[in-house]
Amino acid sequence: AQSVTQLGSHVSVSEGALVLLRCNYSSSVPPYLFWYVQYPNQGLQLLLKYTSAATLVKGINGFEAEFKKSETSFHLTKPSAHMSDAAEYFCAVSGGARQLTFGSGTQLTVLP
Amino acid sequence: SAVISQKPSRDICQRGTSLTIQCQVDSQVTMMFWYRQQPGQSLTLIATANQGSEATYESGFVIDKFPISRPNLTFSTLTVSNMSPEDSSIYLCSVEERGSTDTQYFGPGTRLTVL
Repeated sequence: AQSVTQLGSHVSVSEGALVLLRCNYSSSVPPYLFWYVQYPNQGLQLLLKYTSAATLVKGINGFEAEFKKSETSFHLTKPSAHMSDAAEYFCAVSGGARQLTFGSGTQLTVLP
Repeated sequence: SAVISQKPSRDICQRGTSLTIQCQVDSQVTMMFWYRQQPGQSLTLIATANQGSEATYESGFVIDKFPISRPNLTFSTLTVSNMSPEDSSIYLCSVEERGSTDTQYFGPGTRLTVL
């Protein structure tokens, strides 16, 4: 069984500031981990994924995430927030059963 | 990645009626999935649809309420039957990437409002 916890349902940052969205997972097998972004009135877009290669994963739009097995974490970061980053972000885990379990989501607001 | 389209993009329906949502992919895929996203909530998997076999439903979802068809490797439909206001949600289909690491790509979603 697997689960995902996203800490902070709402995160606000100023434009140009660091973005940090937290994700902790639980999995009985080595996991695959994903971050998706959902812009208003749209579907989910894959930002990045960890599939047991490099622990630091780079994604689209300047985002990256680091897999830390000891902390069971997969936090999403971006050095400098842009107004266009305002969206909902979902962390998801797969235990190899070809199904994704999603976290509850984090709404990111970027302040001018 | 696959390009996925859904029809309709949104609809407003009366309670007691049914709506069929279509999902079309621009390439052949083995696994397709249907999710529900209730207002302000995360995604919940409804069922997994493989071509040529019956869909596999998750706990809390039944075939009579959410019948699914998967006639070929590029198309699937989800029907929401006998709708009530509680069925108001975004319904999303997704497909699994080839050679997979369980990566899924999502369609734009169908926003359903039931009055």
